[in-house]
Amino acid sequence: QVTLRESGPPLVKPTQTLTLTCTFSGFSLNTKRMCVSWIRQSPGRALEWLARIDWDDDKDYSTSLKTRLTISKDTSKNQVVLTMTNMDPLDTGTYYCARTSIYASNGYYLSYFDYWGQGTLVTVSS
Amino acid sequence: DIQVTQSPSSLSASVGDRVTISCRTSQTIGTYLNWYQQKPGKAPNLLIFAASNLPSGVPSKFSGSGSGTDFTLTISSLQPEDSATYYCQQCYSAPYSFGQGTKLEIK
Repeated sequence: QVTLRESGPPLVKPTQTLTLTCTFSGFSLNTKRMCVSWIRQSPGRALEWLARIDWDDDKDYSTSLKTRLTISKDTSKNQVVLTMTNMDPLDTGTYYCARTSIYASNGYYLSYFDYWGQGTLVTVSS
Repeated sequence: DIQVTQSPSSLSASVGDRVTISCRTSQTIGTYLNWYQQKPGKAPNLLIFAASNLPSGVPSKFSGSGSGTDFTLTISSLQPEDSATYYCQQCYSAPYSFGQGTKLEIK
């Protein structure tokens, strides 16, 4: 059974650094074609993809946020950590981590978010 | 970056109806497109991957089609539990962007 759970502070002040941890079970980030992504959703807004880390430690980031984001993994603890610097009230929202599986067929590789955590609400306010 | 545009942003339909939601990308992406359903207060749920493939457990009332830049999600025989917001997402290249969502109301 695959589960993911986000944890982190519910409230951060502007300019502070946010650190979120995704703790997962039921799969391993040592397994080929397994990845974990972070996605956020501001209140009443659409989903926004933030970052992804792959089984081979490859990383990708949102273009607009890449200078503020760092993603890392600890496979021994089954955890993925996302840090976001210089937090702003516009960063308020629910942050999700999601298992990202890569579907392979005839040389065609595609990723999708097949399991999600419940999300953690982060409010940025002084 | 690839832009993803959904239409309509909202729609209302009756029980038993069939609806279609469109998704367009700013550049051709083959069939590198996924669809998700999100109910209020819940995390999204994968509905369709690779434009037309249903994950196990997803009812066959959901179907996807399209390739290149134009994609469609079709939901048939609408039921009250289909009331949700639906998102498409391109997985062709990072950053893996989502559409702005389509809110479906069941009358």
